[in-house]
Amino acid sequence: AQKITQTQPGMFVQEKEAVTLDCTYDTSDPSYGLFWYKQPSSGEMIFLIYQGSYDQQNATEGRYSLNFQKARKSANLVISASQLGDSAMYFCAMSPPGANNLFFGTGTRLTVIP
Amino acid sequence: DTAVSQTPKYLVTQMGNDKSIKCEQNLGHDTMYWYKQDSKKFLKIMFSYNNKELIINETVPNRFSPKSPDKAHLNLHINSLELGDSAVYFCASSPRPGGTSGSYEQYFGPGTRLTVT
Repeated sequence: AQKITQTQPGMFVQEKEAVTLDCTYDTSDPSYGLFWYKQPSSGEMIFLIYQGSYDQQNATEGRYSLNFQKARKSANLVISASQLGDSAMYFCAMSPPGANNLFFGTGTRLTVIP
Repeated sequence: DTAVSQTPKYLVTQMGNDKSIKCEQNLGHDTMYWYKQDSKKFLKIMFSYNNKELIINETVPNRFSPKSPDKAHLNLHINSLELGDSAVYFCASSPRPGGTSGSYEQYFGPGTRLTVT
C-alpha cells in the first residue's frame, strides 16, 4: 500500500525567501507519479508540479521545483522567492502504477510573513 | 469557463436524508474521480471512473453510489446520511486513468461542503 508522509504540520517563511516542504513516500512499486497540490483558504485544489519515478531530472514549474531523491523516497517541494499569496495548505500525493488515483499526505500549512 | 464544476457548493441536511452532488467537466477528459476531505483536511480517494465505467472503488460504504451518465459527468448520490459524512467532497478529472508510462495531473472542482446535522 502507498503511504505519504508530510512531517511538517506548519511552516513559516519570510516573504522573498525560499522554503522547502518535506514529503516522503513508501511504495514497493518501481513506477509511480508524485504530485504537489496547493489548497488556499478558499478551498480549491491547485496542481503545482509533477514528477514521474523514471524522470531523470527534477521537475520545475516557475518558482516551484521538486527535489526528487528516489533512493531516499523523498519528493520535497521547494518554493523560491515566497510571496504572500503562497500562504496555503500544501499536499504531497502519489499515484500508483497503472492507475491515476491519488494518495495524499496530511498536508503542510505554509504561512508567508511580510 | 470553469473546467470542473460541482453543484451545490454547500449542502446542509439532516441525518437519514438522501442527497446528490453533481460534477461536470468540460475538458474532454476520460477519467473522473471523487475525493473526500475530512475535518482534519485529509483527502482520500473514493471512486474513479473511466469513460463511464467504474475502475476504482475504495473502501466506501455502499450508501455512496456514483453515477456517470456520460464521460463529462460524475454524480455522487448518498443515501441515509450520517453525521460522519460531513466533509468536503471534491470531484476531479484527468485525461486518462494513468498507466505504466506515467500519471496525469488531475483537475479539481471547487468542492462541495456537506454538513449533516
